[in-house]
Amino acid sequence: KNEVEQSPQNLTAQEGEFITINCSYSVGISALHWLQQHPGGGIVSLFMLSSGKKKHGRLIATINIQEKHSSLHITASHPRDSAVYICAVGGGSNYKLTFGKGTLLTVNP
Amino acid sequence: NAGVTQTPKFQVLKTGQSMTLQCAQDMNHNSMYWYRQDPGMGLRLIYYSASEGTTDKGEVPNGYNVSRLNKREFSLRLESAAPSQTSVYFCASSPEGVTRNGSPLHFGNGTRLTVT
Repeated sequence: KNEVEQSPQNLTAQEGEFITINCSYSVGISALHWLQQHPGGGIVSLFMLSSGKKKHGRLIATINIQEKHSSLHITASHPRDSAVYICAVGGGSNYKLTFGKGTLLTVNP
Repeated sequence: NAGVTQTPKFQVLKTGQSMTLQCAQDMNHNSMYWYRQDPGMGLRLIYYSASEGTTDKGEVPNGYNVSRLNKREFSLRLESAAPSQTSVYFCASSPEGVTRNGSPLHFGNGTRLTVT
């Protein structure tokens, strides 16, 4: 079974700071997802990637397949970015993901 | 565009009672999933349906049953609720499998279930 580790577990930043959240996994994968869970509980998919880098607005996700590592970056952070960010990886099955425990991000004004 | 709709939002059951969580998606997705989320743990897959007419066990299927009623609807049933099933339950859907390019997950808003 793939083990997924996220770091840090908790992160507090000031508005405008550059944020990095890391995800490491133990077994080769075919896809990695980054999700955002709002304080109210809803979960939104941010990125799905299998190689390289993707960008959407102020969010950037990168993956290094050889090092079994992915990062989620937030540029010019804002209080509305405060949420739990979850990494999930998939490999052996087309329908099963292993989820990390999440990183709680708090951005203060 | 409603996306994934799950009901109810909250439910309290007594041990031994039964209930069905309902989920429907309007995005014409083939695959649907039920997850549970517990404090200090990552989301865990209970059951999934790769396509209409099929269902398969996930990581934690014991105590649950599912029905893929049609392409839109995927329900989760607790036949005899136990306190260990106290959790937040999420339904999700994806166009195809979650490791296929361009097949991200779309989640419902969750059901907070307490079993006393």
